[in-house]
Amino acid sequence: GENVEQHPSTLSVQEGDSAVIKCTYSDSASNYFPWYKQELGKGPQLIIDIRSNVGEKKDQRIAVTLNKTAKHFSLHITETQPEDSAVYFCAAKTSYDKVIFGPGTSLSVIP
Amino acid sequence: GAVVSQHPSRVICKSGTSVKIECRSLDFQATTMFWYRQFPKQSLMLMATSNEGSKATYEQGVEKDKFLINHASLTLSTLTVTSAHPEDSSFYICSAREGSPRAPLHFGNGTRLTVT
Repeated sequence: GENVEQHPSTLSVQEGDSAVIKCTYSDSASNYFPWYKQELGKGPQLIIDIRSNVGEKKDQRIAVTLNKTAKHFSLHITETQPEDSAVYFCAAKTSYDKVIFGPGTSLSVIP
Repeated sequence: GAVVSQHPSRVICKSGTSVKIECRSLDFQATTMFWYRQFPKQSLMLMATSNEGSKATYEQGVEKDKFLINHASLTLSTLTVTSAHPEDSSFYICSAREGSPRAPLHFGNGTRLTVT
């Protein structure tokens, strides 16, 4: 079935440094790739998304890249701040209109 | 922005009882809603997809008679956990999408269910 892998599972960075999270997906027909941030005890919050006809998208300190050939997509957070600490999930929308989540990355930004 | 409200945020119930969780789209009409389940420190697992006015589509391994989903209006979907058991204890999260399949998913804040 459809699968989304995500690495690393945990990531610690110093405040001000960059953080990169990488994902791969299995369904080559996937055409929409959202990223979510989840804080403890809350639901996921959409932070950025990218569609298959675009290779890169940026929103202030957050950027996402997509390589359709390799079925890879990545999240880049620059100038990290303590409030960026959370669990981040990548996801892919499959050809069956389901959004499948990766296993998550716990990001800690150390002041 | 699109807001999804989920209620209750926490519920504790006894084994054998049923619990209903509500998911509302507050400022948009949600033609499709999705229910997810999340165990501690794990990812979100899709349980079912519901479209307004039709029966929900359940993922493999999810018991439709145990997890009853109703999507009777464009702004409300409910998940009822019937005859709950301790192993049903989990974090249940709904999400809603407005109209087009190209629209993004917006999530509620989840319901922490504890079955004693």
